[in-house]
Amino acid sequence: AQRVTQPEKLLSVFKGAPVELKCNYSYSGSPELFWYVQYSRQRLQLLLRHISRESIKGFTADLNKGETSFHLKKPFAQEEDSAMYYCALRGSGGSNYKLTFGKGTLLTVNP
Amino acid sequence: DAGITQSPRYKITETGRQVTLMCHQTWSHSYMFWYRQDLGHGLRLIYYSAAADITDKGEVPDGYVVSRSKTENFPLTLESATRSQTSVYFCASIQADTQYFGPGTRLTVL
Repeated sequence: AQRVTQPEKLLSVFKGAPVELKCNYSYSGSPELFWYVQYSRQRLQLLLRHISRESIKGFTADLNKGETSFHLKKPFAQEEDSAMYYCALRGSGGSNYKLTFGKGTLLTVNP
Repeated sequence: DAGITQSPRYKITETGRQVTLMCHQTWSHSYMFWYRQDLGHGLRLIYYSAAADITDKGEVPDGYVVSRSKTENFPLTLESATRSQTSVYFCASIQADTQYFGPGTRLTVL
């Protein structure tokens, strides 16, 4: 079974402060990890995926297989980063395109 | 993003009524999904479809029915709506590892 845990339902930081949204997973194989974001009144959209190793809107996330984590980080938070963030996992192999989502973390960046 | 649409965007219904939520995509993606989003539960997969006429259950399928006669449409039906089905419903399709979501339907069951 695969599981994604986001331990923080709510996270509040001040503008310019570093932010880290935690994500831990449980999966027996080699997973693919993603972060999705939902801004207010908008649809969910992909923020980044671990295989691309890219930085999007200043966010990065490193897959740590030893700690089974995929934390999302940004060194200097901006007010426009306020949103709901979902970590998601996809199992490896085959044609299984299903994603398992965490429960989400609502990030609020205060001015 | 405009490639996947949902209707209606808002729906209020009563317990016991049948409700159908529509999802339409213009990309011809093979895989499509239905999720419900609830506070404290995040996104949970209801049903998914690998292609026309191929559907399978997700995590929370009870009380829901899907069909997929055409690649571009993936309707979700609540056969007899219950209050516990009050939620926001998202349809999604997938292309090259990226899931593209619709705008959501906010359903209230009274």
